[in-house]
Amino acid sequence: AQSVTQLDSHVSVSEGTPVLLRCNYSSSYSPSLFWYVQHPNKGLQLLLKYTSAATLVKGINGFEAEFKKSETSFHLTKPSAHMSDAAEYFCVVSEEGSSNTGKLIFGQGTTLQVKP
Amino acid sequence: NAGVMQNPRHLVRRRGQEARLRCSPMKGHSHVYWYRQLPEEGLKFMVYLQKENIIDESGMPKERFSAEFPKEGPSILRIQQVVRGDSAAYFCASSPGTLSEQFFGPGTRLTVL
Repeated sequence: AQSVTQLDSHVSVSEGTPVLLRCNYSSSYSPSLFWYVQHPNKGLQLLLKYTSAATLVKGINGFEAEFKKSETSFHLTKPSAHMSDAAEYFCVVSEEGSSNTGKLIFGQGTTLQVKP
Repeated sequence: NAGVMQNPRHLVRRRGQEARLRCSPMKGHSHVYWYRQLPEEGLKFMVYLQKENIIDESGMPKERFSAEFPKEGPSILRIQQVVRGDSAAYFCASSPGTLSEQFFGPGTRLTVL
């Protein structure tokens, strides 16, 4: 069965410094992986997705993530944090296999705080 | 092209009442997923529907919860005899196909008093 583990529940960075949000996945198949962002009291917005093409995936707002099969990781990074990046971030894997219905499996979330 | 619409955005119910949550998918999307987000947790899959059919309800509680997606009109998530533990944010997502990107609505925040 697929699962994702977000290694940090809270991450705090200063504005202008790099962001690293860590995610490890478990999957018996070649997974489809996503990062979503949720701003307070808002819906979810797709930041980026990996679907077995290039291992370095570029997303919106300067975010990118690297798929590392050997480490079963899909960490999210951004070179320079902006105040508007403060939000909840979810690492997500799409169910695979014979019963594939496309349902998404979410990590517990990482709250990113950006300090001025 | 309007995004996924959910209403109401906030819903307050007393224990024992019924809650009806509506989701209008994006134009051209015939696939709807419902997810629940309990406080301090990630989203959990509940049910996947296509027009007039429930495809996967493996995440639905066995009692009091039901979902439908009629030929015409929005998808409805219905919770009967609500309890405090049902308080959560309920999100729906729509997609044009099973393995296509899912687009999320703003959610309905249910509070059970």
